Amino acid sequence: SQQGEEDPQALSIQEGENATMNCSYKTSINNLQWYRQNSGRGLVHLILIRSNEREKHSGRLRVTLDTSKKSSSLLITASRAADTASYFCATENSNYQLIWGAGTKLIIKP
Amino acid sequence: GAVVSQHPSRVICKSGTSVKIECRSLDFQATTMFWYRQFPKQSLMLMATSNEGSKATYEQGVEKDKFLINHASLTLSTLTVTSAHPEDSSFYICSARDWGVHTDTQYFGPGTRLTVL
Repeated sequence: SQQGEEDPQALSIQEGENATMNCSYKTSINNLQWYRQNSGRGLVHLILIRSNEREKHSGRLRVTLDTSKKSSSLLITASRAADTASYFCATENSNYQLIWGAGTKLIIKP
Repeated sequence: GAVVSQHPSRVICKSGTSVKIECRSLDFQATTMFWYRQFPKQSLMLMATSNEGSKATYEQGVEKDKFLINHASLTLSTLTVTSAHPEDSSFYICSARDWGVHTDTQYFGPGTRLTVL
């Protein structure tokens, strides 16, 4: 299959809590990227982590990458209702193509 | 940051007609563009890699005669869905790589929602 895997498929938490999503992939990568997509809308690029990096921060987002396990995690701290969306990881391969995970649907309850 | 546009944003057509979707990089040159489709509640699936001045490279299972791709200039790639059928209804998204400045970054268009009646 072309796709990577993400878990959980769905996550529902209270506003203010932290949300963690995981992504696994199968082949070697140039980088791994996380995107957000609101229902029926376009993609919003969140953060990119290169294959030689292990952790990256951007605001309330923290991304880790473990190339030995071929996995990554996205942590959203102090979640807000506006964070409700689907989150996708995508890995860039040696042909610069993005291979996408199945996505995690995140619901933040007010 | 760089901007990629798509046109139209939404199209409804009758079964059997052909639909052309444009993807433009507005402030950078893109030798490579990518086309994806996304079914409801699913992830993106790469359809093809569009290379300026040469034939597109299609992913396994994607019919090249069904989904015609033309990358005629450094800022424009088009996807034509030929003889569209209801099962072609989907969200089509393009992306373009900005090689000149941000070598890691792909920029995505806002997507085109195709509904075939």
